[in-house]
Amino acid sequence: DTGVSQDPRHKITKRGQNVTFRCDPISEHNRLYWYRQTLGQGPEFLTYFQNEAQLEKSRLLSDRFSAERPKGSFSTLEIQRTEQGDSAMYLCASSLGGQETQYFGPGTRLLVL
Amino acid sequence: SQQGEEDPQALSIQEGENATMNCSYKTSINNLQWYRQNSGRGLVHLILIRSNEREKHSGRLRVTLDTSKKSSSLLITASRAADTASYFCATDDLNRDDKIIFGKGTRLHILP
Repeated sequence: DTGVSQDPRHKITKRGQNVTFRCDPISEHNRLYWYRQTLGQGPEFLTYFQNEAQLEKSRLLSDRFSAERPKGSFSTLEIQRTEQGDSAMYLCASSLGGQETQYFGPGTRLLVL
Repeated sequence: SQQGEEDPQALSIQEGENATMNCSYKTSINNLQWYRQNSGRGLVHLILIRSNEREKHSGRLRVTLDTSKKSSSLLITASRAADTASYFCATDDLNRDDKIIFGKGTRLHILP
């Protein structure tokens, strides 16, 4: 257990539905990252926060995706109008700052039917 | 964009043998990290090695970094069945302090 938690661990949804995932980082970490991982691939960067500010978004993050970290603590990742191609493991990580070790949560596995 | 690429993609060895995995990257970095991932689980951080370091040890793990060749290696000595997992290297960018980029990983299988 790294101290980073994610909820839910698994989500099955129908195409077109909206889903929201939550990440609780290690409490003193001001950096929070979201990644997506498909089978047989390494994690792909989606976006990251410095406290409550979202500083970078990957081109992978289409306009159907939105992430928030309203109080600089937990974060949510919402996917609107899900598509089958969104099926993946969504990983959250936190760190004390840039250039520091990122600690990963267990991930949320999404299956879009 | 820069990316760590692990080699080999897959590796099967007998329990007790040593396993070596390599990572190559494209641009200058601040640090390089190795992670392990068991099937269907999150990533576990193994070692972070900074660009001014050449070698680090942690238990049965030994990591080397050659910035002139833009490469790193992860050695697991006296392998155990529990070492069966995917191993990823991740690199940052020298001129930034934000995201890290992962390679596709090496899938290590320890045979009993």
